[in-house]
Amino acid sequence: KAGVTQTPRYLIKTRGQQVTLSCSPISGHRSVSWYQQTPGQGLQFLFEYFSETQRNKGNFPGRFSGRQFSNSRSEMNVSTLELGDSALYLCASSGGEYNEQFFGPGTRLTVL
Amino acid sequence: AQSVAQPEDQVNVAEGNPLTVKCTYSVSGNPYLFWYVQYPNRGLQFLLKYITGDNLVKGSYGFEAEFNKSQTSFHLKKPSALVSDSALYFCAVRAAGGSYIPTFGRGTSLIVHP
Repeated sequence: KAGVTQTPRYLIKTRGQQVTLSCSPISGHRSVSWYQQTPGQGLQFLFEYFSETQRNKGNFPGRFSGRQFSNSRSEMNVSTLELGDSALYLCASSGGEYNEQFFGPGTRLTVL
Repeated sequence: AQSVAQPEDQVNVAEGNPLTVKCTYSVSGNPYLFWYVQYPNRGLQFLLKYITGDNLVKGSYGFEAEFNKSQTSFHLKKPSALVSDSALYFCAVRAAGGSYIPTFGRGTSLIVHP
């Protein structure tokens, strides 16, 4: 089974721009979660989508949004980028009885 | 509410020696517990999970973890460390029947010295 894929792997943007990240889950998984990882804050949960609906949401401002398509692929959008948004953004897909998460390689976003 | 503590930011061990990375948790009800490993600039890789049953869980790359309900701990262990085990390790917990979103610890950096 193919793993979770994320595109692009690296992004460089400037303050004020917006960015869209993409995640393709493991085939058959209907849940996709997004996390932000920074050295200072660790792994922080952004939101989770299940069957095209946002099921859980973390404590991030409205500049962070997402969506999920009918094929379970998900996108995350960050508008009006700030320097503090520089981070590794991780996508995880989950399915099955115990819902363990399987992570993609991440997208490294740098905001200049 | 659920929480995870990884009390050590860094663990140092010599190659060939046994290693332990500590994790304690707090959750309402029965826990589902997970360990992940992260290599530099990579995503988290699933190592093992405890759901129910035998308290000693075996996982990938020779790792195992011991669930201790009375001490609410789920320590990761390996009998003989390799330099290639050097990485960042995350413990995670969620409650059985609770939120599908696990809570992750802050991570422990394992450094194995040759």
